[in-house]
Amino acid sequence: EAGVVQSPRYKIIEKKQPVAFWCNPISGHNTLYWYRQNLGQGPELLIRYENEEAVDDSQLPKDRFSAERLKGVDSTLKIQPAELGDSAVYLCASSLGGGTLNTEAFFGQGTRLTVV
Amino acid sequence: GQQLNQSPQSMFIQEGEDVSMNCTSSSIFNTWLWYKQEPGEGPVLLIALYKAGELTSNGRLTAQFGITRKDSFLNISASIPSDVGIYFCAGRPHWEIMKTSYDKVIFGPGTSLSVIP
Repeated sequence: EAGVVQSPRYKIIEKKQPVAFWCNPISGHNTLYWYRQNLGQGPELLIRYENEEAVDDSQLPKDRFSAERLKGVDSTLKIQPAELGDSAVYLCASSLGGGTLNTEAFFGQGTRLTVV
Repeated sequence: GQQLNQSPQSMFIQEGEDVSMNCTSSSIFNTWLWYKQEPGEGPVLLIALYKAGELTSNGRLTAQFGITRKDSFLNISASIPSDVGIYFCAGRPHWEIMKTSYDKVIFGPGTSLSVIP
């Protein structure tokens, strides 16, 4: 069974440019998460989806970040415009969700973003 | 916001030695999770704990959910070179579930483990 797939693996962009990351969760997983991981730190939640609904986006910087999961399967996270401080690894994860208790998240390999 | 503390921050050990690390919080947690992350990869779940006092093993790894619900411990016995990585604790804060009823997991800063052959 395929795990969580993310692309691209690496991205280098100049500041003020837009960037987008794509995630395909594990088949059948209703819950999808986007995390940001700064160097030397643990992942921090940006947004969580239950199917196509964003149920927790309190940590998403909405002035420049946006996300969508239109059909409740794959998802895109966008930054526009990017700033130097956005350099980090962006991790996508998925879990069964749907009210199933104690189902933990499986992570993708992440996209390492470098803003120069 | 809610924070988790992990200690030690980093460890350098000889192959074959046992390893102990812990995770603490000032607040009560309902779930404790231990993940391992290797360079260039996402975190991989090692052990999940759901009940105070619970002791769970996964091969050479053993983790415990502290009785106070404010801490958790991870032990690795007879370390090998492939144990190298960053170990993150994570958990579901009790207060977060009570406030929002939404499932929210927060991560600690990690313990970096290096094993010397």
